[in-house]
Amino acid sequence: KAGVTQTPRYLIKTRGQQVTLSCSPISGHRSVSWYQQTPGQGLQFLFEYFSETQRNKGNFPGRFSGRQFSNSRSEMNVSTLELGDSALYLCASSLAGAGTGELFFGEGSRLTVL
Amino acid sequence: AQSVTQPDIHITVSEGASLELRCNYSYGATPYLFWYVQSPGQGLQLLLKYFSGDTLVQGIKGFEAEFKRSQSSFNLRKPSVHWSDAAEYFCAVGARGNEKLTFGTGTRLTIIP
Repeated sequence: KAGVTQTPRYLIKTRGQQVTLSCSPISGHRSVSWYQQTPGQGLQFLFEYFSETQRNKGNFPGRFSGRQFSNSRSEMNVSTLELGDSALYLCASSLAGAGTGELFFGEGSRLTVL
Repeated sequence: AQSVTQPDIHITVSEGASLELRCNYSYGATPYLFWYVQSPGQGLQLLLKYFSGDTLVQGIKGFEAEFKRSQSSFNLRKPSVHWSDAAEYFCAVGARGNEKLTFGTGTRLTIIP
């Protein structure tokens, strides 16, 4: 079956702009989590959605937001981009969430902020 | 709060040699423990997981890990590494009812001929 698909894979933005990243989970998976990966901070949890509801949120400013649609696809948005937002953004899907099983990761969206 | 420590940032091993990557966790309750591997430019792939039961767990690609509650450790081992094992390895901790994983900072593995 198809894996987790993230789009776009690469993008370049300038400070102050906003960006929307998309994640299509594995068919049948209702949980989608987002992680930010940077060389300095490693993998940091952003948020997790299950059946269109945000169940958990990490310690990121309000500029980072997300949503999940009825087909379980998820988007995350970052507004007023800062240089420090440059990172690999990873999406992971699972049947019921990280607390109950395996996460399947996409290849990520690499964001560069200039 | 849960946390994971991977004390080795970078490890170099000869092909065919044995490997052990260290992971220590901190969590108040019974943790769920995971090892993931990330190849350059790729997402993370699950190697193995521990939820309960037998403390020695087998994973894919010939990897195994042992949960030691008394040492709060979950070290990853492989008896004989292959050049294709070169990657970054992440240990992670989660728990029932907690919908996020906390990852360690990773260990980069280099294989030399």
